[in-house]
Amino acid sequence: GENVEQHPSTLSVQEGDSAVIKCTYSDSASNYFPWYKQELGKGPQLIIDIRSNVGEKKDQRIAVTLNKTAKHFSLHITETQPEDSAVYFCAAGTGRRALTFGSGTRLQVQP
Amino acid sequence: DSGVTQTPKHLITATGQRVTLRCSPRSGDLSVYWYQQSLDQGLQFLIHYYNGEERAKGNILERFSAQQFPDLHSELNLSSLELGDSALYFCASSPTDTEAFFGQGTRLTVV
Repeated sequence: GENVEQHPSTLSVQEGDSAVIKCTYSDSASNYFPWYKQELGKGPQLIIDIRSNVGEKKDQRIAVTLNKTAKHFSLHITETQPEDSAVYFCAAGTGRRALTFGSGTRLQVQP
Repeated sequence: DSGVTQTPKHLITATGQRVTLRCSPRSGDLSVYWYQQSLDQGLQFLIHYYNGEERAKGNILERFSAQQFPDLHSELNLSSLELGDSALYFCASSPTDTEAFFGQGTRLTVV
């Protein structure tokens, strides 16, 4: 089955700096790569996703890049704000298989 | 608000007992997924239903079962509960079997 590894497990940045979270996946059949943000006591919230026919996608301060050859994808958050503090999860999947999640990154943005 | 509703939000029960968790998917979504999230852990896929039919099983214990009803709501039944079953249980619904929208979860505490 699919295996998704996520790094780092914790990340602390100063407000205004950029944050990068990286994931690798094992199954070359995976073609959908979403990122979720989970705040304390809440369910994961889909913040951005990318499909395998696209190399990069951007939505305001967040962007995701995908390297299919290397089987890795990354989340980039620019101009971080305290409200970006949360746990971020990457995931990989296909239309035929449920999403497999990474182990999560706890992002702390210091004011 | 993702549009996915889970009840109850919190549940405390004793070892050996049985509980039922309920999930109402977003309007029109035919797929429902159940995930388990233990303390400081990632999201482990349990089971997937599509339009009333079981489509895939993940790491679901034999003591656990689920079903999806004609109105598309789903229930996750957990029996012979053990302390180690204490976790957050999330359901997610999807319109396409790729994007998954999560509910707020049910926090189960087994004492």
